[in-house]
Amino acid sequence: DAGVTQSPTHLIKTRGQQVTLRCSPKSGHDTVSWYQQALGQGPQFIFQYYEEEERQRGNFPDRFSGHQFPNYSSELNVNALLLGDSALYLCASSLTSGRAFGANVLTFGAGSRLTVL
Amino acid sequence: AQKITQTQPGMFVQEKEAVTLDCTYDTSDQSYGLFWYKQPSSGEMIFLIYQGSYDEQNATEGRYSLNFQKARKSANLVISASQLGDSAMYFCAMRDLPGSQGNLIFGKGTKLSVKP
Repeated sequence: DAGVTQSPTHLIKTRGQQVTLRCSPKSGHDTVSWYQQALGQGPQFIFQYYEEEERQRGNFPDRFSGHQFPNYSSELNVNALLLGDSALYLCASSLTSGRAFGANVLTFGAGSRLTVL
Repeated sequence: AQKITQTQPGMFVQEKEAVTLDCTYDTSDQSYGLFWYKQPSSGEMIFLIYQGSYDEQNATEGRYSLNFQKARKSANLVISASQLGDSAMYFCAMRDLPGSQGNLIFGKGTKLSVKP
């Protein structure tokens, strides 16, 4: 059973460019969340997609946008890249349900490491 | 606002010994969930253990246990019988909204090094 897969694993961009990162959720999961992890920090929540809509968003500018496709896969787009966008971008999938907290454990991918020069 | 604090940037433990990684949290919610994840150098976050705020007993998962002290707002991870493969970053996290949709708020992590 494949877990969460992300692509590309590494990429280098220059300031001002745009980047698209891709994520395939774990089989059976319908919700995708994106996190940014700067060096030496814990992951920070960017946004979450469910039923092809952004359901929740963290404190990130509009340069960060996303999309979820009918097959539940997702993309993260970042426009006008800044040096500070250099980070590991983690995708996590889960199954939205009516149950309380415990059942909805996030399954993470290995991330896409973005370097902005 | 919810916050997770991990005060130990790095920890060393001898192989086969037990180690406790500290985590304190701050929230005004009565209902919340606490998680621990392991992140090896490969980057993938691996779920270890979960504790609900209303769970009366401390959670256990194999060699992992969570020492939950609600009044002190602490949720320390205990790893028994450390193994070399336990060397990694460990993150404490909290779900900030009721229900299953809330995102996770992470601490800065603790780097655990297991010595042979």
